[in-house]
Amino acid sequence: ETGVTQTPRHLVMGMTNKKSLKCEQHLGHNAMYWYKQSAKKPLELMFVYSLEERVENNSVPSRFSPECPNSSHLFLHLHTLQPEDSALYLCASSQEEGFEAFFGQGTRLTVV
Amino acid sequence: RKEVEQDPGPFNVPEGATVAFNCTYSNSASQSFFWYRQDCRKEPKLLMSVYSSGNEDGRFTAQLNRASQYISLLIRDSKLSDSATYLCVVNPRNTGGFKTIFGAGTRLFVKA
Repeated sequence: ETGVTQTPRHLVMGMTNKKSLKCEQHLGHNAMYWYKQSAKKPLELMFVYSLEERVENNSVPSRFSPECPNSSHLFLHLHTLQPEDSALYLCASSQEEGFEAFFGQGTRLTVV
Repeated sequence: RKEVEQDPGPFNVPEGATVAFNCTYSNSASQSFFWYRQDCRKEPKLLMSVYSSGNEDGRFTAQLNRASQYISLLIRDSKLSDSATYLCVVNPRNTGGFKTIFGAGTRLFVKA
C-alpha cells in the first residue's frame, strides 16, 4: 500500500462545478501539504497543515479551500475554478514540518 | 533574485559519465535541504537529504555549502534510468514555521 494516496487521479470540471480532491497518508506523519504544479513551472506550495492546524497559506485564491479533519486526511475543495487552474495537484506528508516529504501520485485537473 | 535557483539544463550525458548539479538559495536561515527526482508526469520522489557534513548514497553524493549558500548533487557512473528532472528543496524557517521552496528542476538525459 502506498504511503500517500490521492483520489481522483484525473478530474475534468467545468468552471461552475464544485469538486473535492482527497488525500490520505498511512505514514503516521504530522504535517500535510497541497502543492500545485503547472506546466513548465516549479512546484508551488499552496497549504500546509501541522497537527491538523493550517500553518501556511501562500496567498491562494479563495476558490481553493483546504480541509484537514484529522492527521491522516486532507481535502482540497474546488469551486468556480478558472482554466488557468488546470494543473497537477500534489499532496505530500512529512513527519514534521521541514522534514523530508513524501508525495502522492497527484490529481491531474483540467478546468474547461 | 529567486529564492531557489537551478540550471534548468538539459544535461545530456553518456552512460557512465559523472554529472553534477548545483542549486543556490537566497535565505541564509534555511535549515533543511533535500534533492528529489521527478520523472515525466509523475510525482517527485525523495532522492536524499543534504547534511552539513555531506552525505553519500551509492552513486549519489550531496553536499551543502552554507557559506556560499548552495547545495550540490553528484551522480557517478550515470545510468539510463537516472534520466529525470532533479529538484532541490530548501526549507527556510520563518515566524510561521517552515516555508518549503522547490527549485524549478534540472533535466538530465542519460544516453546509451
